[in-house]
Amino acid sequence: SAVISQKPSRDICQRGTSLTIQCQVDSQVTMMFWYRQQPGQSLTLIATANQGSEATYESGFVIDKFPISRPNLTFSTLTVSNMSPEDSSIYLCSVLKGQGRGEQYFGPGTRLTVT
Amino acid sequence: AQSVTQLGSHVSVSEGALVLLRCNYSSSVPPYLFWYVQYPNQGLQLLLKYTSAATLVKGINGFEAEFKKSETSFHLTKPSAHMSDAAEYFCAVEGSGGYQKVTFGTGTKLQVIP
Repeated sequence: SAVISQKPSRDICQRGTSLTIQCQVDSQVTMMFWYRQQPGQSLTLIATANQGSEATYESGFVIDKFPISRPNLTFSTLTVSNMSPEDSSIYLCSVLKGQGRGEQYFGPGTRLTVT
Repeated sequence: AQSVTQLGSHVSVSEGALVLLRCNYSSSVPPYLFWYVQYPNQGLQLLLKYTSAATLVKGINGFEAEFKKSETSFHLTKPSAHMSDAAEYFCAVEGSGGYQKVTFGTGTKLQVIP
């Protein structure tokens, strides 16, 4: 398994500002993922972050809006830039570990409210 | 392409009653299938997974699911609901043959009535 922490756990931000969310894993992992979970909806993959390479973004998500860093095998950040109320959501970090193909471990999430 | 459909966004059962949460999948390759649970204000936790071995998969907290290829289903069951089972449940699918994107269903919120 993997223990994942995220900071901050929640935040209230003004429109036009940016917020950086941190994801820390207790062991080295190859693949890390960032998801968005809008109120009452399922998870939508934003991007896949592999150490040493550019993040791979899903359709509808762009690097200018959601820049991601992955400086090592246990840490990643997601920045939500130039925020609008539509960015209010829960942002979840997850990792893929070991032999468990597709078996992802999730952080507790960051609840973001943009006013 | 792959997808999952969860029938029923809300399910209510009495404590002690059978829990049945429905999931149907679509995949162009033999799938890996998962059920995750999300308690309020928490991240997702893996309940169980199907990876082409036994079709009846047992998970944590007394849950199990049966893979039925002919019905393209992977329904989640528990014989007797407990109050602590109240949560949101997500079915997910991943195509086999190397890592591919995991697609999540829209979730089913389970309410357990005392």
